[in-house]
Amino acid sequence: DSGVTQTPKHLITATGQRVTLRCSPRSGDLSVYWYQQSLDQGLQFLIQYYNGEERAKGNILERFSAQQFPDLHSELNLSSLELGDSALYFCASGNSQNTEAFFGQGTRLTVV
Amino acid sequence: AQSVTQPDIHITVSEGASLELRCNYSYGATPYLFWYVQSPGQGLQLLLKYFSGDTLVQGIKGFEAEFKRSQSSFNLRKPSVHWSDAAEYFCAVGAFTGGGNKLTFGTGTQLKVEL
Repeated sequence: DSGVTQTPKHLITATGQRVTLRCSPRSGDLSVYWYQQSLDQGLQFLIQYYNGEERAKGNILERFSAQQFPDLHSELNLSSLELGDSALYFCASGNSQNTEAFFGQGTRLTVV
Repeated sequence: AQSVTQPDIHITVSEGASLELRCNYSYGATPYLFWYVQSPGQGLQLLLKYFSGDTLVQGIKGFEAEFKRSQSSFNLRKPSVHWSDAAEYFCAVGAFTGGGNKLTFGTGTQLKVEL
């Protein structure tokens, strides 16, 4: 158990819908990262928050957004969903002193 | 921009045999390098990491990796593979973002272990 909690584990939704994925980082970790894993794109970095502020951005679509709340949990919002958004979404956490990232079990999103 | 190449998509080894998974990276500065393992339906577990210092690093489950700057490589090795090592292995390079590292992953190597 990495200490990073992601909910829900599975999500099935229709095209055009909006969903929210939630991540609780390990106790004490200030950074939260979001990654997408799909068959055609592999594992891709989406976005990072550090102590509530956006710190780095990767290949995140404009339809996607994220935020980190004062209690350090984070949410990834995916809107106007398309079939191609079906993927495993991972959250990871870490901090500036401990530079490795610890990954959650992921949320498997299926868009039908 | 950083990149990682894992040239072997699939590897099959017999239980008890040695293993080497290849990883080449591209990064402008001294890299932070990682190997993660993913079992079916599971998240990513860190096997080992290299930040600086000794170029041979030891990890969990009997794995080790050697950083070779001249070859831009960070190959993962295990002297004797167990059936439970069957999984997908990802090499990653980290770019420091001030609050940690954003990771660029390779495409992964799927390891199959024959009994």
